[in-house]
Parts: sequence; structure tokens; C-alpha cells
Amino acid sequence: QLQLQESGPGLVKPSETLSLTCTVSGGSIISGSYYWGWIRQAPGKGLEWVGTIYNRGSTYYNPALRSRLTISLDLSENQLSLQLASVTAADTAIYYCGRHLTYGDHYYGMDVWGQGTTVIVSS
Amino acid sequence: QSVMTQPASVSGSPGQAITIPCTGTSNDIGSYNYVSWYQQHPGKAPKLLIFDVSRRPSGVSHRFTGSKSGNTASLTISGLQPEDEADYYCTAYTTYSTWVFGGGTTLTVL
Repeated sequence: QLQLQESGPGLVKPSETLSLTCTVSGGSIISGSYYWGWIRQAPGKGLEWVGTIYNRGSTYYNPALRSRLTISLDLSENQLSLQLASVTAADTAIYYCGRHLTYGDHYYGMDVWGQGTTVIVSS
Repeated sequence: QSVMTQPASVSGSPGQAITIPCTGTSNDIGSYNYVSWYQQHPGKAPKLLIFDVSRRPSGVSHRFTGSKSGNTASLTISGLQPEDEADYYCTAYTTYSTWVFGGGTTLTVL
């Protein structure tokens, strides 16, 4: 059974870079054709798509975050990573990693999720 | 990219049916059938209920159905049960190869 677990610092200072890791167990991130992504949720707010990476190479970013965001795969560690530079209080949120459901020739919402990790941006 | 429009809240009595609309644009819902719906209970990760407008992942109750007309997608929950009380979000793929979410709808089962 595929399981995902996010990890990272719970507290980040403004202007610093947020780095999160999502460790995948019960399957390989490189097997098959899958899309892996990050979604975040600010306190008391709705869901916001952060970005997605295809395990065959492409990345897709939220336009509002694109200039600060890097999403990558670490095949040796079977991990998905997120780096968000120059963070502000507006980046305070629960960050979820997940795998998108693939059906036919496209991908859809995420059907496998991590439990989420809370990130607070504060000095 | 703009957030798609959902009502902030809806309510219904046990056994009733409710529908949650999600209005997007010709650049997302209007362009593709790549529409999904999530259910989220407090303190939990979202759960995928619907994908491809109306398909259900394995294990999702048949009480949840999805549809689409023009730029608006809808989620209908029939035979409301207390455990359906949750937040519901629509999401759609856009012509810019990005994803956009609706603002979310809180369902109260009276």
C-alpha cells in the first residue's frame, strides 16, 4: 500500500527558503507514469495547488509561486521535494504531498495523500 | 489564476440530496473534463471523491455523483448522512497546464 509522509521544519523565518520532503513507501516514485504534487492550505482557508512533477521529467508550478518554487524527485531516496524561496507569512500553511490519479491519457486529482506538515513563517 | 466559485455553505437533512455547484471559466471547466472533487473532514487530508467530471475512485460511495454543463461542474450527494458533514472542493485542469481550486463549500447535515 502506497504511503506518503511529509517532513520539514515547522518554523521558517521570513525571507528564508522553505524545504520540505515527502518520503514515499510501498512503491517507487519512478515506476509507471505518475504525477506527484504539493497542495497547501493556509489556516482556516481553502486548498491551493502548489505544483506537480511528472516522474518522466516535467514540472508544473502555480503561476503565483513559480518564481520562488522548485519541485524535484530524489530517486535514490524515493522522495519528492519542495523548495520555496523568500517565504513570507502568506506561506504559512499545512503542506500536503500526494500522487495524482492517472486515468487514460491524463492525470486528475490526488488519490494518495500524506498527512500534511504544518509550516509557520515567523521571526 | 482565479479561484473557481463555490457557495460558502450548503445544508441538508439526513436522507435528502444536495448539490454543490462550481463555476469556472472557458479556460478550465469549460475546456476539459479534467474536473475532480474532494471531501475534507476537519484536521484530515482531503479525499478524492470524483475525477473526470463523474467517475468515482474505487471505494467511494455511489451517493456521490458529478456532472458538468458549460463552465460549471456540480457535485450531488444523495441520501445525506451525518458523516457527509465536511468541506468540499472542486478542482480543474486549465489551458495553462495548471490546476485551480474552488474556494470550498462547508456542508452541514441538519
